[in-house]
Amino acid sequence: EAGVAQSPRYKIIEKRQSVAFWCNPISGHATLYWYQQILGQGPKLLIQFQNNGVVDDSQLPKDRFSAERLKGVDSTLKIQPAKLEDSAVYLCASSLDIGSGSSYEQYFGPGTRLTVT
Amino acid sequence: RKEVEQDPGPFNVPEGATVAFNCTYSNSASQSFFWYRQDCRKEPKLLMSVYSSGNEDGRFTAQLNRASQYISLLIRDSKLSDSATYLCVVINYNQGGKLIFGQGTELSVKP
Repeated sequence: EAGVAQSPRYKIIEKRQSVAFWCNPISGHATLYWYQQILGQGPKLLIQFQNNGVVDDSQLPKDRFSAERLKGVDSTLKIQPAKLEDSAVYLCASSLDIGSGSSYEQYFGPGTRLTVT
Repeated sequence: RKEVEQDPGPFNVPEGATVAFNCTYSNSASQSFFWYRQDCRKEPKLLMSVYSSGNEDGRFTAQLNRASQYISLLIRDSKLSDSATYLCVVINYNQGGKLIFGQGTELSVKP
């Protein structure tokens, strides 16, 4: 079974530039998550989709971050304009569904490592 | 106060040692608990779930104390390959089931 795919794997940009990340979840997984992991910290949820609807975006800095999941499959996360503090790894994860039990287990992609200079 | 707090690391132990990680969570409504493992520059992967009765998987034992809002992970007979960061995770399904991660505890097992 193919895992969660993300691209690019690495990105270096200057502050105030824009950047976009792409995620393709595991086939059949209804729920998709974007996390931000700053060095030395645990991942922090940015946004959660159930199919193509947003379940939770309470920690997404909406003045500069946006995300969409058109057609309920692939997703993109955009930062515009980037700040130095956005340097982090952006992880995408997917799960079969929301709820308890094995359908809930989240599978993570390899992440995109963003450096803002 | 952070929702999930872990022992600050790093833990440096010799091969064969027993090591224990502790984690506390602040939301008493938290319903599920996990330990994830994250290797350097890799994504987190589920290590094991944590149940109230305690559970064991080979050299790994996880325990949950709901009254104290405390989770632990014990690793016996440490191997070099156990070197990684261990992340404590809690979930409250009433909040959409999002994972709340601790900051992680780094383990380094030396020969």
